[in-house]
Amino acid sequence: EIVLTQSPGTLSLSPGQRATLSCRVSQSVASSNIAWYQQNPGQAPRLLIYGASTRATDIPDRFSGGGSGTHFTLTISRLEPEDSAVYFCQQYASSPLFGPGTKVEIK
Amino acid sequence: QVLLVQSGAEARKPGASVKVSCKASGYTFSTYSMHWLRQAPGQSLEWVGWINPGNGDTKYSQKFQGRVAFTIDTSASTAYMDLNSLRTEDTAIYYCARLWLGPSFDLWGQGTLVTVSS
Repeated sequence: EIVLTQSPGTLSLSPGQRATLSCRVSQSVASSNIAWYQQNPGQAPRLLIYGASTRATDIPDRFSGGGSGTHFTLTISRLEPEDSAVYFCQQYASSPLFGPGTKVEIK
Repeated sequence: QVLLVQSGAEARKPGASVKVSCKASGYTFSTYSMHWLRQAPGQSLEWVGWINPGNGDTKYSQKFQGRVAFTIDTSASTAYMDLNSLRTEDTAIYYCARLWLGPSFDLWGQGTLVTVSS
């Protein structure tokens, strides 16, 4: 059974700083099966990245995804106040599975 | 505008059933599989299953097998989720979501809160 682990649990940074979020998968998966979502309180998740590194429609270029095998990352190059949210990674082999999430706080 | 609009919040007692709807607009309904996911308070997302609106094929998570059923009204571009034998631990926000490239979920309903309490 595949398990997704995200770190850190919470990230507290200032506007303009760089955030790097990690998603580790318990076994190697194809990069094409990795996606990242942003979720604000009381809202549905919003797709940011699919195929590990492709930005979804209308996603600013300060969001980028990378990685391969068992380790994937989401980087927010210059944090803005509206980036305060919970971020989930997702893999899809035979069925979708989500990580526990990383909460990003903007100081 | 491409949208998924879900039905409103529901409250049920343990053992009861609930039916949640998800109406699609702005795209060809039969082209994309529709998935159902849920999110318990403060938790991550959990996959419930999917339905192919084109032919009605379904696949359910083993966890929900036997308690959940998905149906489609193609003429109304609406997907439905029936969940029965509700337990307090089924209290969650239930989302419908369109499967897209990746595969990933590019379009989400606004969510339907289902509260199960005696």
